[in-house]
Amino acid sequence: EILMTQSPATLSVSPGERATLSCRASQGVNHNVAWYQLRPGLAPRLLIYSASTRATGIPARFSGRGSGTEFTLTISSLQSEDFAVYYCQQYDNWPRRTFGQGTKVEIK
Amino acid sequence: EVQLLESGGGLVQPGGSLRLSCAASGFAFGTYAMGWVRLSPGKGLEWVSAISDSGGDTYYADSVKGRFTVSRDNSKNTLYLQMNSLRAEDTASYYCAKGFSYAEEWGQGTLITVSS
Repeated sequence: EILMTQSPATLSVSPGERATLSCRASQGVNHNVAWYQLRPGLAPRLLIYSASTRATGIPARFSGRGSGTEFTLTISSLQSEDFAVYYCQQYDNWPRRTFGQGTKVEIK
Repeated sequence: EVQLLESGGGLVQPGGSLRLSCAASGFAFGTYAMGWVRLSPGKGLEWVSAISDSGGDTYYADSVKGRFTVSRDNSKNTLYLQMNSLRAEDTASYYCAKGFSYAEEWGQGTLITVSS
């Protein structure tokens, strides 16, 4: 099983600031990484797939990059609705898709 | 607009059974692979099960293999998850997800609590 390790577990950021979230795979997964946003009471939302492609309707302040084993999600200027938990997921080892343990982005 | 609406969650005793349903609308259901993903406080997100567009191919996480069965009725635009021999560690919010490799769309989830 490919392990996905996210860091940090919690990120405290002020509104308007930049947030950078990391995700490391235990073995190479090419560009086969997706990022999701989970907020209480709402359906989870796909943000990024193929490591760097924004999903439909996702604002440009969300960007992803990386390949192989190192991936990042950057939120360029945090809005109030961006305070949430973010998960990465690899799908290179399909069908054994695995998620990271999540990074909580909280208001500083 | 894509909508995925789960139902069937609730409180069940260990060893019991539940059947989840996911009513889909807003897209050509029969042309997409679908799956179930769960979120639990202890284990985070886990891709529990998946099924091909035709229903001919299925996938199960090792943690549920032999206990859970995924199926679909493309004439009713509905996805199902039959869960048997439930355990405390199956306690989680279960989400219906549209997609083959990653979850393009998610439902709002249904909570399952396995407890005596």
